[in-house]
Amino acid sequence: QAQLVESGGGVVQPGRSLRLSCAASGFTFSDYGMHWVRQAPGKGLEWVAVIWFDGSEKYYADSVEGRFTISRDNSHNTLHLQMNSLRVDDTAVYYCAREVVGATTGGRWDYWGQGTQVTVSS
Amino acid sequence: DIQMTQSPSSLSVSVGDRVTITCRASQSIRIYLNWYQQRPGKAPKLLIYGASSLQSGVPSRFSGSGSGTDFILTISSLQPEDFATYYCQQSYSNLYTFGQGTKLEIK
Repeated sequence: QAQLVESGGGVVQPGRSLRLSCAASGFTFSDYGMHWVRQAPGKGLEWVAVIWFDGSEKYYADSVEGRFTISRDNSHNTLHLQMNSLRVDDTAVYYCAREVVGATTGGRWDYWGQGTQVTVSS
Repeated sequence: DIQMTQSPSSLSVSVGDRVTITCRASQSIRIYLNWYQQRPGKAPKLLIYGASSLQSGVPSRFSGSGSGTDFILTISSLQPEDFATYYCQQSYSNLYTFGQGTKLEIK
């Protein structure tokens, strides 16, 4: 059974940095693209970033482009999100999710972590 | 970016009701549309992918339809555990986007 476990969340001041991690187990991590998705308090889901299975391609939401960096370590089955220049509106629960790509159905996110809380406050 | 618009934003329903939620994309996304369910305090759960394919383990009362820009999620007979928030999400573009969500509330 696939499992994703996020860590690294916490309380941080505006302008500071934080690094999230997502530990994967129960599947061949290097075969899958991985995403970060966040949810601000009382709000909907917002996609943050994706990294392809081999790390060759990365894409970011406009709201985090230039501040956040997604990376992965396939030898340690771990996904990361480096968050710099944090703002109050980055406060959210951050989820990692695994993407399965179907030949005719596109990508879908079939496994999610439990989420880690990031609070940006002075 | 592709905008996803869900309607309604919330719905008051009863157990046994048939529920329909609509999702509209700002441009054609073919069938690259997924539906997720999220219960309070929990991670989202994949229900439907490719607009109409049922994810393994998801009850058959859930179904999806549509293509291009207009999509529908249907719950044929609402069960108590279905009171949750539902999101559509497009995977046509590498800049993925969600709808704003539809919250099902008990009437």
